[in-house]
Amino acid sequence: QTVVTQEPSFSVSPGGTVTLTCGLSSGSVSTNHYPSWYQQTPGQPPRALIYNTNIRSSGVPDRFSGSILGNKAALTITGAQADDESDYFCVLYVGSDTWVFGGGTKLTVL
Amino acid sequence: QEQLVQSGAEVKKPGASVKVSCKAFGYSFIGQFIHWVRQAPGQGLEWMGQNNPNSGGTNFAQKFQGRVTMTSDTSIITAYMELSKLRSDDTAVYYCARRGLGETGYVFDLWGQGTLVTVSS
Repeated sequence: QTVVTQEPSFSVSPGGTVTLTCGLSSGSVSTNHYPSWYQQTPGQPPRALIYNTNIRSSGVPDRFSGSILGNKAALTITGAQADDESDYFCVLYVGSDTWVFGGGTKLTVL
Repeated sequence: QEQLVQSGAEVKKPGASVKVSCKAFGYSFIGQFIHWVRQAPGQGLEWMGQNNPNSGGTNFAQKFQGRVTMTSDTSIITAYMELSKLRSDDTAVYYCARRGLGETGYVFDLWGQGTLVTVSS
């Protein structure tokens, strides 16, 4: 069974930079997993931020960026703002028309 | 305006089935896959499966095999997800989401508002 791992929580100061990661329980994440990232606030559906590793969805501020760092996908927020305080989820395509979400990271901005 | 509008909250008893609908507005429904994702209270997102409204083809996460059905009715531009043999741990918000096309073919770019399904005796 494929497990996608994310940090359960992270904290960043306003104006600071934070990198959240998305890994695989076995193996490395590559662009072939088409990593995408979603932001979710309480009571709302997720919103797509990044897809295909590093492409920002329409309307997403450029302080959000995606990459592959080592053997993981990464979401970097540069110049964090108060309204970036949210849950962030990654999802990986694992082949055979199957996707797996990570457990999510709760980001606190303080 | 592109939207996915889901049916309202449901309360079901253990062992029953639930069918959630997802109506599409503002885009070509038959052209894009609909995925279903659920989120238990206070928990993360869980991919359940996908349906191709054009062909009717489906693919499910292994844990839901045999218990989930995903269909579409193109005449009323609506997708459905039916989950049977409900258990208390199926209590969750169920989302439909559209999979993008072309370069965006691996992103869920439009989401429904979610449908809370509560399983309780």
